[in-house]
Amino acid sequence: DQQVKQNSPSLSVQEGRISILNCDYTNSMFDYFLWYKKYPAEGPTFLISISSIKDKNEDGRFTVFLNKSAKHLSLHIVPSQPGDSAVYFCAASDPWGKLQFGAGTQVVVTP
Amino acid sequence: GAVVSQHPSRVICKSGTSVKIECRSLDFQATTMFWYRQFPKQSLMLMATSNEGSKATYEQGVEKDKFLINHASLTLSTLTVTSAHPEDSSFYICSASLRRDRGETQYFGPGTRLLVL
Repeated sequence: DQQVKQNSPSLSVQEGRISILNCDYTNSMFDYFLWYKKYPAEGPTFLISISSIKDKNEDGRFTVFLNKSAKHLSLHIVPSQPGDSAVYFCAASDPWGKLQFGAGTQVVVTP
Repeated sequence: GAVVSQHPSRVICKSGTSVKIECRSLDFQATTMFWYRQFPKQSLMLMATSNEGSKATYEQGVEKDKFLINHASLTLSTLTVTSAHPEDSSFYICSASLRRDRGETQYFGPGTRLLVL
């Protein structure tokens, strides 16, 4: 039972433009959401998080938006850079800190 | 800050041997550590949750006698794959949890590639 879904397996974006990654969840117990970036054969790197009491969190080029009523969150990267090419995982945390991951979205930033 | 190390980064072993993987939080004390497994082109699968000084909690379908977890301190957890078989070959990743922004953020180690021949 996939409680966190990333329906786009891949995204191609031009350098300098905005990358928008989407994530949906089904479990209303989730109260904390995170985005991770991952390269092959490496552990995920934490990017940004948002608590369920907020609807937006910004950190540099990364902004995460949360729509609780729709059980939807998104990650905006602007401007996109070639070094952003990686797999991005959305993760949702229950109150006990256990994470459920989405399947990931492969982002390719082209020159 | 929030650096997690794993050792070894890769290991090749013969079928039937046991392999120990260490996970350390280098600059913080972790409330909880987690062990994940990742198959090629798939997402991370949680194997177990580990708290210092107590028994690990295993996810459904994960054999606790096969994957032994010891959490000796707030900065060290070990995963031992006992009597390894080729089907245990995988990428194993640990994470350590740190509270920030009203939530527990997991910081991941670099992973350990296990190949069982």
